[in-house]
This record gives sequence, structure tokens and C-alpha cells, in this order.
Amino acid sequence: GENVEQHPSTLSVQEGDSAVIKCTYSDSASNYFPWYKQELGKRPQLIIDIRSNVGEKKDQRIAVTLNKTAKHFSLHITETQPEDSAVYFCAASSGTYKYIFGTGTRLKVLA
Amino acid sequence: DTEVTQTPKHLVMGMTNKKSLKCEQHMGHRAMYWYKQKAKKPPELMFVYSYEKLSINESVPSRFSPECPNSSLLNLHLHALQPEDSALYLCASRGQRQGRNTGELFFGEGSRLTVL
Repeated sequence: GENVEQHPSTLSVQEGDSAVIKCTYSDSASNYFPWYKQELGKRPQLIIDIRSNVGEKKDQRIAVTLNKTAKHFSLHITETQPEDSAVYFCAASSGTYKYIFGTGTRLKVLA
Repeated sequence: DTEVTQTPKHLVMGMTNKKSLKCEQHMGHRAMYWYKQKAKKPPELMFVYSYEKLSINESVPSRFSPECPNSSLLNLHLHALQPEDSALYLCASRGQRQGRNTGELFFGEGSRLTVL
């Protein structure tokens, strides 16, 4: 069945360093790739998304890249801050109602 | 109003109880979701309603019964649950702009359910 692999499961970085989280999807029909941030005890919130007709998208310190050939997409956070500490989920959707979520990455930004 | 509101925030119930979780959004979104989330795991899809009709049921046990009374409300009726059903239950709606699906899921804060 369709799945999304996400790595690493945990990531610790020093404040100010960059963090990269990688996802690989299996369904070739996937055309929408959102990233959600979930702080402890809070709801998942969309932080950035990318569609299959675009290779890269940036929003201030956050960027997402997509390699359709390899079925990879990655989240890049630069100049990390303590408030970036959270669990990050990638997801893939083929335009239906279903979103296949990755297993999550727990990011810790050390002050 | 750009929020999905869920009640109650916390619920403790016995295995013989009947309870309901409620979800509300006033953003005009026509697709609404129930997800179950266990600790340190991603949200797991349970049900999707589109235009108030059940579109997806991910083989969820019948002790969970969804209901969509109108385009703004979504309920999840719970009966004869098991301890392993203890989890965070998240409601979400899918964004729309000018009648088109934006893809973004707007999640509520969730209802944390404990089954004793």
C-alpha cells in the first residue's frame, strides 16, 4: 500500500544551526506534500507545503524541496530557534481525501 | 473564525459508557475528518465526510459511529470502547478557497480520551 517514510525519527541541533528532515513516498500519483508541526499537547499545524509542479518553495527560515523522480521531499529549517522544537510530520496526497503521514521527527533545538 | 473547535478537551469513560465527541468549524469547509493519534505516532485516519456524506471509513470498528448533522458540525459517538481506544482524537477540515480545495488540513486541538 501507499506509505511515506520519514527520517530521522529524532534530531537534536544547536540553536542557530540548520535542520533537515527527509521523506520518501511510494505513490506516484502523489501531487501535494504538506509539512505539519505539532508542539507538545497542541494540534498539528501546516508550516509549508509544495505541489508536484514546483521543485522548491521557501518561507523565511523554512524551505521544502521536492525530487519527483526520486520520490523524495525534504524540509529545511535554517537558523533554528528553541521554539522550533516540536514533532514534524510530512505527508503526501494524490488529490483525494487521504493524506499519508510520515512517522514523525522529534526536533530538539538546544539553547 | 479560522478555527476548528473540539469538545470536550478531556474525556474519561468506562467500557460500558456512551459518550460523544463534537467538532465545529465555520470556515465553510466541506470536507471534515476524524483522526486518532496515539502518543509519538502520526494521526491515523478514521473517517472523512464530504458535503455531509460519509466518503471514507478506514475499517473503523462499529463502536465508533460518526455523524455529520450539517456542514459545520461533526460528531463521533462512542460506545463500548476498549482501553486500547485511549488516544487523542483529532478533528480536521480541509481548506477551500473560491470553491477549490487548497489541500491544507485545519486541525482542532483534539479530545483526549481515556477508557478505563
